[in-house]
Amino acid sequence: NAGVTQTPKFRVLKTGQSMTLLCAQDMNHEYMYWYRQDPGMGLRLIHYSVGEGTTAKGEVPDGYNVSRLKKQNFLLGLESAAPSQTSVYFCASSYGTWSYEQYFGPGTRLTVT
Amino acid sequence: AQKITQTQPGMFVQEKEAVTLDCTYDTSDPSYGLFWYKQPSSGEMIFLIYQGSYDQQNATEGRYSLNFQKARKSANLVISASQLGDSAMYFCAMRLNAGGTSYGKLTFGQGTILTVHP
Repeated sequence: NAGVTQTPKFRVLKTGQSMTLLCAQDMNHEYMYWYRQDPGMGLRLIHYSVGEGTTAKGEVPDGYNVSRLKKQNFLLGLESAAPSQTSVYFCASSYGTWSYEQYFGPGTRLTVT
Repeated sequence: AQKITQTQPGMFVQEKEAVTLDCTYDTSDPSYGLFWYKQPSSGEMIFLIYQGSYDQQNATEGRYSLNFQKARKSANLVISASQLGDSAMYFCAMRLNAGGTSYGKLTFGQGTILTVHP
């Protein structure tokens, strides 16, 4: 089992460019999440999904879009990158609400110049 | 809205000694879960321990224990016999159960950087 994987691991964008971060899990989890981590602020939830074809906004959704066309994949898109989106992005997945643990991917470090 | 507070930006401990990392939380939901994650310098998030709000006993996992004081809304992590490999960032997080409508979303504290000295 690979667990939760994220592609790419690092990326540098110029302001205004777009990109998509891919998260994949092989644990047949229903729930998937995208968080961002900024210095001194811990992790904050961007968007989440409770099943294939469903998505919902988290705490900091502005400037991001997501899609979950397949159960195992959760995509995070930046349509027009801004320097404020420089961050480390983590994807996570879990069995469901009552799951003891969220399984995290290794993270993607994104820099927007 | 729920909130998690970690008031110690940095902590230092001598190898083989015990250390307590503080975490307080705020919620009006009677059913919730509390988590601790470790983030070493390599960046990955490692799950350490979980405590449910209705659990009667404090959670323990090897050298990790969670000092759960419900009335004080605190969920401190205790690491016994610290090792050099324990040097990392530690995050406290909370999940509301909200009758099943919270969908497992985690709210994180700001983190505490632990440094273990030899």
